[in-house]
Amino acid sequence: GQNIDQPTEMTATEGAIVQINCTYQTSGFNGLFWYQQHAGEAPTFLSYNVLDGLEEKGRFSSFLSRSKGYSYLLLKELQMKDSASYLCAVTGTYKYIFGTGTRLKVLA
Amino acid sequence: EAGVTQFPSHSVIEKGQTVTLRCDPISGHDNLYWYRRVMGKEIKFLLHFVKESKQDESGMPNNRFLAERTGGTYSTLKVQPAELEDSGVYFCASSPRIRGGASYNEQFFGPGTRLTVL
Repeated sequence: GQNIDQPTEMTATEGAIVQINCTYQTSGFNGLFWYQQHAGEAPTFLSYNVLDGLEEKGRFSSFLSRSKGYSYLLLKELQMKDSASYLCAVTGTYKYIFGTGTRLKVLA
Repeated sequence: EAGVTQFPSHSVIEKGQTVTLRCDPISGHDNLYWYRRVMGKEIKFLLHFVKESKQDESGMPNNRFLAERTGGTYSTLKVQPAELEDSGVYFCASSPRIRGGASYNEQFFGPGTRLTVL
C-alpha cells in the first residue's frame, strides 16, 4: 500500500527552529515535495528532493533519506507568517500522494 | 503571470443537485490535475489530463463525477447527482510538459473550490 505520515500539529515560538518529519511507503518514488498552505489559499511549493541529502533554500531546508523513506522540513528563525499547514507529497510518475499535512502554529 | 484559478470559490448545494467546478490552468501547461480534500483527510488525487486526454483517472470515486478538458485549456469537473460525502475542497493543479528523462514535476495549485452538499 501507499502511506505517508506526518504529525498533525506542532507549535513553536517565534525565532525558534522547527523540524517537521514525513515518513513514506510508496510503490514508486520519483521525488518528494514540500508545500506550504495558508488557510483558504493554494498550496505553494517550498522544496523538492529526489536524491539523498539536504537542500537549503533561505530559512527553509529539506532532507531526504530514500533508504529510510524519511524526509524532514526544517524552518529556521520562525516568523509569525510561517503559521500554516505543511504538506509532504511523494510523486511516482505524475500524480502526487499527500500526507495529511502538519498544522504549524508560531507563537509570539 | 496568472496562476491557476478556480471557480467558484465556494458552492453550497443540496443532495441530488448538480454542480460544475471550473479550473483554468497556467497558460501553456499541458498537465492538469484534480485533487480533493475531504474534511480531516489528506488531499487525494482524482485525475490527470495531458492536454485534452485523460492520462489517469484512477482516483475518480464513481461515475457521478465527470471531468472534461475540451481544447486542452480549462477543465470542468461535474458532480451529478451530488451526495453528502462529496463535500470537501476540490483543488486543481497544473504543470508544464515534462521533457524526456526529467523527473522534476512541480505542480502549481489553485486555491480550491469548497463544496458543501446539504
